[in-house]
Amino acid sequence: AQTVTQSQPEMSVQEAETVTLSCTYDTSESDYYLFWYKQPPSRQMILVIRQEAYKQQNATENRFSVNFQKAAKSFSLKISDSQLGDAAMYFCAYSRSTSAGNNRKLIWGLGTSLAVNP
Amino acid sequence: GAVVSQHPSRVICKSGTSVKIECRSLDFQATTMFWYRQFPKQSLMLMATSNEGSKATYEQGVEKDKFLINHASLTLSTLTVTSAHPEDSSFYICSAPETRANSPLHFGNGTRLTVT
Repeated sequence: AQTVTQSQPEMSVQEAETVTLSCTYDTSESDYYLFWYKQPPSRQMILVIRQEAYKQQNATENRFSVNFQKAAKSFSLKISDSQLGDAAMYFCAYSRSTSAGNNRKLIWGLGTSLAVNP
Repeated sequence: GAVVSQHPSRVICKSGTSVKIECRSLDFQATTMFWYRQFPKQSLMLMATSNEGSKATYEQGVEKDKFLINHASLTLSTLTVTSAHPEDSSFYICSAPETRANSPLHFGNGTRLTVT
């Protein structure tokens, strides 16, 4: 069975600094998808970034980038130039597929609570 | 863009009563709906997966008679918490993928249930 591990329950960063959130996973699949979701105090789930396992290039979305190490089964999130609005719970998640139906089920990590200090 | 509308956002009910939570897909057909439960400062726990026109698939340990899921149309899935008790108080979130491949997964904004 697939598992996702986030070993940092809480992290903090100074505004404008860079922070990296860790995530490791376990799977026997060769094709899969990895995600980082943000959940602010409003509890709305927001997709931050996603990575297809078959792509070697690390995904980037503005200030957010990932370091995807397939062999090591590691998928860390780097937030550059941290802003106060980045404070939230961050969840790493795994999916076998992005096709329709039940294969879209996400396996979630336990989350990392990120505080941004002014 | 595509949205999942979840209602109510908050509900308070008395112990022993039933509460229905609705998730509607707006401008896309949701053949599948995932229902999650989330405790404070914890991760999402998948409760069940509903598929339009068929019985929901429940995760191990989730009481199907307690948490009734109906997915009667391509745009509506409902979760009914029957005979609610204080321990059912939680945050419930639904999520649905669009049918096309590589499409995003859409989340409802959640329902905070408090059972008194």
